[in-house]
Amino acid sequence: TQLLEQSPQFLSIQEGENLTVYCNSSSVFSSLQWYRQEPGEGPVLLVTVVTGGEVKKLKRLTFQFGDARKDSSLHITAAQTGDTGLYLCAGLLSGTYKYIFGTGTRLKVLA
Amino acid sequence: DAGVTQSPTHLIKTRGQQVTLRCSPKSGHDTVSWYQQALGQGPQFIFQYYEEEERQRGNFPDRFSGHQFPNYSSELNVNALLLGDSALYLCASSFDSLSSTGELFFGEGSRLTVL
Repeated sequence: TQLLEQSPQFLSIQEGENLTVYCNSSSVFSSLQWYRQEPGEGPVLLVTVVTGGEVKKLKRLTFQFGDARKDSSLHITAAQTGDTGLYLCAGLLSGTYKYIFGTGTRLKVLA
Repeated sequence: DAGVTQSPTHLIKTRGQQVTLRCSPKSGHDTVSWYQQALGQGPQFIFQYYEEEERQRGNFPDRFSGHQFPNYSSELNVNALLLGDSALYLCASSFDSLSSTGELFFGEGSRLTVL
């Protein structure tokens, strides 16, 4: 069974704090995406990483793909209330058309 | 440029009934994937359609079937509904995922409640 485990499952922090969300699997992925989902809406793509060891930065968000392409992390610097939401990682299993989604991290940033 | 559109947005069915959900992909996309998202969980892959054929399937029973039309739009059919089928059903479109980086663009989903 292919699984993508995210941790932590829930996170409540104060505005201005830093946080890291982890996404781990025993499976190898061709690519890995991070999405954010608001209540009542579909997930919205934040970033795609493709190369093992790749690091991408989008303003206050830093995404890293593990060297073996089995894991990833999302780091948010100086969190803002607008960062509140459900963060999902999703991996495209190598050699397939199958996307596996993580269990999700529900982030709440308090003012 | 229209994004992914799904219909209906909400629907209520009773056990044993059948349901059809519809999806129009983002302009320029040729691949449609369907996901089931239970409350508080990540989306679970149901299947993917490309060139009007199912080319990948997740761990869902045969009660779940689909179709893709020549204009790339798609339908998800669920027969003999069970209470456990209550979920948000998400459609995602992409462009030939194995030759691209595989970004998925999601619709807002169809919320199915089975009573």
